[in-house]
Amino acid sequence: DAKTTQPPSMDCAEGRAANLPCNHSTISGNEYVYWYRQIHSQGPQYIIHGLKNNETNEMASLIITEDRKSSTLILPHATLRDTAVYYCIVRGWGRDDKIIFGKGTRLHILP
Amino acid sequence: SAVISQKPSRDICQRGTSLTIQCQVDSQVTMMFWYRQQPGQSLTLIATANQGSEATYESGFVIDKFPISRPNLTFSTLTVSNMSPEDSSIYLCSVSMTGSVSIYNEQFFGPGTRLTVL
Repeated sequence: DAKTTQPPSMDCAEGRAANLPCNHSTISGNEYVYWYRQIHSQGPQYIIHGLKNNETNEMASLIITEDRKSSTLILPHATLRDTAVYYCIVRGWGRDDKIIFGKGTRLHILP
Repeated sequence: SAVISQKPSRDICQRGTSLTIQCQVDSQVTMMFWYRQQPGQSLTLIATANQGSEATYESGFVIDKFPISRPNLTFSTLTVSNMSPEDSSIYLCSVSMTGSVSIYNEQFFGPGTRLTVL
């Protein structure tokens, strides 16, 4: 079973920051938080990951709470192309650590 | 990164027949994974395919229904056997890297095969 809980859907106005929450209260010490997104009719795409520190890359920022039981993915300036299902995933670091998907959050960017 | 192709991209099949889906990667990879995504649903892991060994199936999936081959480090096939309409889904191949491991340790996903069973 997935180890994460996400809201089923969210709306965000174009140009605004999209903040997607995720609960992972049973995360263990050696597990990372990964975010993927799936744009319609495509395979999932990696966005970002983190262990305990906040992370930022060209796509997004990841804020992880100090107790690591929840996190927030931030898309700083959402565009219509960010409309997708966003998956928050907890997994270990090994190459054979499989990804178990939860239901994800369907993000609608409103023009 | 890895470039993954799947064949066929889509197919319409008759009940009771079988379809073999191919997954080709442009570089050698350690692990290959097969997922199913039913209409409007999230992805469900079917099995993990290691080169040179039997695939490892997740609960609810069996080798007789979904036989998998992994003949080398760049190729795998998934067969959907004795199909029924309930097998109508998108089937996706995914890989994790070997050798120069990506610092992100992410999995890469193929574009998927859209299967419709009548």
